[in-house]
Amino acid sequence: DTGVSQNPRHKITKRGQNVTFRCDPISEHNRLYWYRQTLGQGPEFLTYFQNEAQLEKSRLLSDRFSAERPKGSFSTLEIQRTEQGDSAMYLCASSLAAEPKLTQYFGPGTRLLVL
Amino acid sequence: AQSVTQLDSQVPVFEEAPVELRCNYSSSVSVYLFWYVQYPNQGLQLLLKYLSGSTLVESINGFEAEFNKSQTSFHLRKPSVHISDTAEYFCAVTSHTGGFKTIFGTGTRLFVKA
Repeated sequence: DTGVSQNPRHKITKRGQNVTFRCDPISEHNRLYWYRQTLGQGPEFLTYFQNEAQLEKSRLLSDRFSAERPKGSFSTLEIQRTEQGDSAMYLCASSLAAEPKLTQYFGPGTRLLVL
Repeated sequence: AQSVTQLDSQVPVFEEAPVELRCNYSSSVSVYLFWYVQYPNQGLQLLLKYLSGSTLVESINGFEAEFNKSQTSFHLRKPSVHISDTAEYFCAVTSHTGGFKTIFGTGTRLFVKA
C-alpha cells in the first residue's frame, strides 16, 4: 500500500515540550497539506507545500508551529513549547497539483495529547 | 475567503430510508466542491467531487450530490442507506484561484439504525 503515512500515530507529551510529526505523502504527489482536527470539528487548514515550497500558512499557526518539506518528499510539523490547547489530531494529506487531480488523500493522523 | 456550513451535526435514520446531508458554502470566487467521509477509526477519504461539467455527481456506493450555484449548496443524498454508511461526512470547498486552500465544514454524523 502506497498511501499517505504519518508517524507517530499517537503522542503524549507534557506542556512545554517540543514535538515533531512526520508525514510521507504518496510518492508522485507534489502537494502536501497539514490540518488540525479537534473533537466535533472538521479539519482546519494549517499549511501546504508545493514541492519544497511552503505556499500558504494559516493565521491559526502561531510562531510555535513550523513545517518543512526539505526535498519535496516527506514533511515534518514541529510544535515548540506545547500547550494543552494544542491537543488535537494532526492530519496530513497529499495531492497532485493539476486539475482534475485535486483529490486530497489523507493519512491516518497523529493524535497529540498535551498534559 | 470561503466558508462551509453543515447545518446538521447529527442525522439519525433507519436502514433503507433516504437521507440528505446539507451543505452550503460562501465564496467570492468559483470553487471546487467535495464530500469526504470518515468511517469509525479510519482516515478521511473522498466520497465525491464537483470540479466542472454536470452539476450532478455520483459516488460508487450510491451517494450523489448536486451543485446548485444559485443556492450555493452541494447537498449529499442517498435514496436508501445501509448500516455500513454510518460515518462522519464532511463537505469541503477549494477555490479556483490563489492557494487552493481547502475549507472543511464541521461535519455531519450519519447514524443508520436497524
